[in-house]
Amino acid sequence: SQQGEEDPQALSIQEGENATMNCSYKTSINNLQWYRQNSGRGLVHLILIRSNEREKHSGRLRVTLDTSKKSSSLLITASRAADTASYFCASCTNAGKSTFGDGTTLTVKP
Amino acid sequence: GAVVSQHPSRVICKSGTSVKIECRSLDFQATTMFWYRQFPKKSLMLMATSNEGSKATYEQGVEKDKFLINHASLTLSTLTVTSAHPEDSSFYICSARDLRGLAGDGELFFGEGSRLTVL
Repeated sequence: SQQGEEDPQALSIQEGENATMNCSYKTSINNLQWYRQNSGRGLVHLILIRSNEREKHSGRLRVTLDTSKKSSSLLITASRAADTASYFCASCTNAGKSTFGDGTTLTVKP
Repeated sequence: GAVVSQHPSRVICKSGTSVKIECRSLDFQATTMFWYRQFPKKSLMLMATSNEGSKATYEQGVEKDKFLINHASLTLSTLTVTSAHPEDSSFYICSARDLRGLAGDGELFFGEGSRLTVL
């Protein structure tokens, strides 16, 4: 399969709580990116972390990367109802090919 | 930020007809565009890599004659689903990487997707 794995598959939390999603991949990467998708829409880029980086922040987002374990995590702090969406990681090789994880569906209850 | 436009957003067609989906990069040039297929509640499956001025590179299991890809300019790639059947019904999404991403770096910009329904 070309797919990576993400867990959990679904996550339901209350507004204000933090949400953590994990992603694993299979090959060596140049970078790993996280995307958000609202139902029936295209993907929106959230954050990119390069293979030589271990942690990156952007607003309420925090991404970590562990290349030895071939895994990454996305933390959304102080979640809002508007954060409800599906979140995908995409591992990108040096050749520019991206492989997407299975995604985590996040529901933030107001 | 960079914008990728995809058209049409929805299309319904009869079985046996062909459908063309366009993917345009509006404010950057893209020598490489990617076409994905997404099933309900599933992840994106890469179908092919569209290369400007040369043949597309298809992923294993994707029929080249079924899904024709043309990348005629640095801002436009088209996917034509030929002789469509109900099992081709899906959400098709394109993405593009700007020239700075040729080395594998840089974010992908996605179109809004095209929902194809084949009756």
